[in-house]
Amino acid sequence: EIVMTQSPATLSASPGERATLSCRASQSVDTKLAWYQQKPGQAPRLLIYGASTRATGIPARFSGSGSGTEFTLTITSLQSEDFAVYYCQQYSYWRTFGQGTKVEVK
Amino acid sequence: EVQLVESGGGLVQPGRSLRLSCAASGFKFDDPGMHWVRQVPGKGPEWVSGISWDSVNIGYAESVKGRFTVSRDNAKNSLYLQMNSLRPEDTALYYCVKQKQGGVGYFDYWGQGSLVTVSS
Repeated sequence: EIVMTQSPATLSASPGERATLSCRASQSVDTKLAWYQQKPGQAPRLLIYGASTRATGIPARFSGSGSGTEFTLTITSLQSEDFAVYYCQQYSYWRTFGQGTKVEVK
Repeated sequence: EVQLVESGGGLVQPGRSLRLSCAASGFKFDDPGMHWVRQVPGKGPEWVSGISWDSVNIGYAESVKGRFTVSRDNAKNSLYLQMNSLRPEDTALYYCVKQKQGGVGYFDYWGQGSLVTVSS
């Protein structure tokens, strides 16, 4: 099983600030890495796939980078609607999710 | 519009069985792989099982292997999860999830979930 580890568990930031979230895989997943956003009471929503490609309708302030075992999700200027929980997921071998990073208002 | 509607959840005693169903619409069901993902409130999602379009490739999380069985009926646009020997730790919201068409592995649509509670 490929283990996905996210950091930090919680990120406190103010609207307009930049947020950087990290995800590490226990073995290489190449660029088979997706990011999802989840808000309370909702199912996760796809943000990024292929480590760096934004899904349809996702604003340009969201960007992804990385390959192999180290990945980053960057939100360049936090908007009020971006405060949520973010999960990374590998799809190199079946599927596993990270434990999540909660982005909260500082 | 893609829709995934889960059903079959409920309260069940430990050791008993339950079968979840997912009715799909709005896309060509016999193309993408389909999956079940569960989530305990306040925790991250946990992939449970996946099945290829032709039911040839099937996978399970270690936590459910030997107890859960995934299947699909492409003629009925439906996905199923047979859950046997249920344990309290199986309590969660179970999502039916569509994989992107064309063999790509990420998830592009999720249902709203069906709650399974395992308790005596």
